[in-house]
Amino acid sequence: SQTIHQWPATLVQPVGSPLSLECTVEGTSNPNLYWYRQAAGRGLQLLFYSVGIGQISSEVPQNLSASRPQDRQFILSSKKLLLSDSGFYLCAWNTRSTGRSSGEQYFGPGTRLTVT
Amino acid sequence: RKEVEQDPGPFNVPEGATVAFNCTYSNSASQSFFWYRQDCRKEPKLLMSVYSSGNEDGRFTAQLNRASQYISLLIRDSKLSDSATYLCVVRTDSSYKLIFGSGTRLLVRP
Repeated sequence: SQTIHQWPATLVQPVGSPLSLECTVEGTSNPNLYWYRQAAGRGLQLLFYSVGIGQISSEVPQNLSASRPQDRQFILSSKKLLLSDSGFYLCAWNTRSTGRSSGEQYFGPGTRLTVT
Repeated sequence: RKEVEQDPGPFNVPEGATVAFNCTYSNSASQSFFWYRQDCRKEPKLLMSVYSSGNEDGRFTAQLNRASQYISLLIRDSKLSDSATYLCVVRTDSSYKLIFGSGTRLLVRP
């Protein structure tokens, strides 16, 4: 069965420090991968998605970046964190889908980031 | 206008009650629909897909009205463990991306 891992689970970082969050998926090949952010009490905001190695699409301009160095690895980075980067970061995957009732995504356990 | 709109609630109901959530979506080209459940400080988890003819999974029933661009979720015989935020989710046919509503919070009291 497929599993998705994220680490770290929680992180407290000072403003201006760098960031690296990692996501890995097991049990599937060629997944689509996604990074979301959820601010406290808010909905999910799609940050980046990737349909293959080295292929990254950005949804929202910001000081974050994403990379996909391997098929099942997705990394979210920042060179200098802002206070507004605090939130719950979720990685998700799905398979390239066909048909009308497909495309559901499966989420990792998330990383809770607090920028101080 | 938001692409997916939900009443944020909270819906506060006693155990055993029946509760219904509604959701509207703006893109008439949307093709796939889902309900996710999110517990406090946890990741969203797929509850059920929503099919055109409506579908049921135990105490949960989902309905889709394409003409009105409206999705519903009915929970019968509510349990304390049903307390969570329920997210309405839509996928347009041309994209791998999902559009999430902000969620409806349900509180089931003893």
